[in-house]
Amino acid sequence: EAQVTQNPRYLITVTGKKLTVTCSQNMNHEYMSWYRQDPGLGLRQIYYSMNVEVTDKGDVPEGYKVSRKEKRNFPLILESPSPNQTSLYFCASSLFLTDTQYFGPGTRLTVL
Amino acid sequence: DQQVKQNSPSLSVQEGRISILNCDYTNSMFDYFLWYKKYPAEGPTFLISISSIKDKNEDGRFTVFLNKSAKHLSLHIVPSQPGDSAVYFCAASETGTASKLTFGTGTRLQVTL
Repeated sequence: EAQVTQNPRYLITVTGKKLTVTCSQNMNHEYMSWYRQDPGLGLRQIYYSMNVEVTDKGDVPEGYKVSRKEKRNFPLILESPSPNQTSLYFCASSLFLTDTQYFGPGTRLTVL
Repeated sequence: DQQVKQNSPSLSVQEGRISILNCDYTNSMFDYFLWYKKYPAEGPTFLISISSIKDKNEDGRFTVFLNKSAKHLSLHIVPSQPGDSAVYFCAASETGTASKLTFGTGTRLQVTL
């Protein structure tokens, strides 16, 4: 089954404790992206990757890091999480940008 | 600055009637538009798209209309069904940047019996 998986689905952590949210797709997609969804703001892009070892900033990259060492994986790293990073995070992938983007189920992160 | 706006946070429609969801954009460089549907506890799923070379695209009960001069697009759902109750996001991108989608804030559609 074609899918994008994210782990964990729910995470409660404390300020400053480094965390990683994993994202994996099994569709051999070139393009992957991370979004955050906040009330009244819709989905905002954090980082995207056009291919292995090619990443670039989206609209709200501050406080986040990503890596794309393998085509299927695109982890999101919060080196020192802060409460303003409490949000619902989605990973997405597509063959190309204007191809259908497939979204993962989301990761709800709470930073205390 | 919100480049893609959905001014109605919520909409309630009776089953069988038409649902019209609206979206406005400010960036004249946007030339590809999409609608996504999102159920609670799930990721958004692609619904329908339209390129700026067209003014209408239809897929079953879903039709998207694009008015480039007004920088406005709308999604029509006819007839509306209870299973259509979800949050709908419009999104836009620029050809050539091939880099990102800009999403609106979403409209929660409730289809009542």
